[in-house]
Amino acid sequence: NAGVTQTPKFRVLKTGQSMTLLCAQDMNHEYMYWYRQDPGMGLRLIHYSVGEGTTAKGEVPDGYNVSRLKKQNFLLGLESAAPSQTSVYFCASRGGAVEQFFGPGTRLTVL
Amino acid sequence: GEDVEQSLFLSVREGDSSVINCTYTDSSSTYLYWYKQEPGAGLQLLTYIFSNMDMKQDQRLTVLLNKKDKHLSLRIADTQTGDSAIYFCAERNGNQGGKLIFGQGTELSVKP
Repeated sequence: NAGVTQTPKFRVLKTGQSMTLLCAQDMNHEYMYWYRQDPGMGLRLIHYSVGEGTTAKGEVPDGYNVSRLKKQNFLLGLESAAPSQTSVYFCASRGGAVEQFFGPGTRLTVL
Repeated sequence: GEDVEQSLFLSVREGDSSVINCTYTDSSSTYLYWYKQEPGAGLQLLTYIFSNMDMKQDQRLTVLLNKKDKHLSLRIADTQTGDSAIYFCAERNGNQGGKLIFGQGTELSVKP
C-alpha cells in the first residue's frame, strides 16, 4: 500500500493564479482531511469529508474549495491564490476509530 | 474553546530521558495523540491514549494523562539523536469529522 500520497510536492504560484492539490489514499478510508501548517503553529483543518460525495468546512476554509468525487481522492482547490496561503498542506485519511494517516505534504509558495 | 498548548523547545543529551508536556482545554476529547515530524516530512503517529486511561507504555515511550488538570506528557527513555524532531500533541473530539486539534509542536534537540 502506498498509504496517503499528495501531488505536487512543491509549487510556486503568483498571486491570483489557481491550482489544485491532489490527495489519494489506497486504504479505502471514509474520512479525509486537508490541513495547513504554518511556522510556529500546529496544523489547522481547512476542509474535511466523511465519505464519497460529501465535503464540509473546517476551521480555516476561506479561499479554498474541495471535492470528493471518488472515495480515494480528495482535491483541494485555490481559485485565486494569495500570499497568506503560503503554507505546507497536509492531507490525512482515517478508516477506523483512532489513527489519521498523513501524506508527505505539499509546500506551496504564493508570490 | 478548543486549544492545545506545548512548550516550543527541549534540548537533552543522548541517553537521557526527554519529557514533552502538553495542556488541552476540551474535556470531551476522546483520544489524545503524539505525532512526530522529521524535517521536510509528514506526520508519523507515535502513540495515542484513550481518554479513560491514565498511562500507556510502548517500548521507550510512556504517555501520562491527567484528565483533571487536562495535562498530557510524553516521556522518551534513552533518547537518541534519531529522536530529534518536532513532536505534536493533538486531541480529538467528536466535532468536524473527528478532526485533530494540534499544539504548536515541541522541537526536541538531542545532543551527543
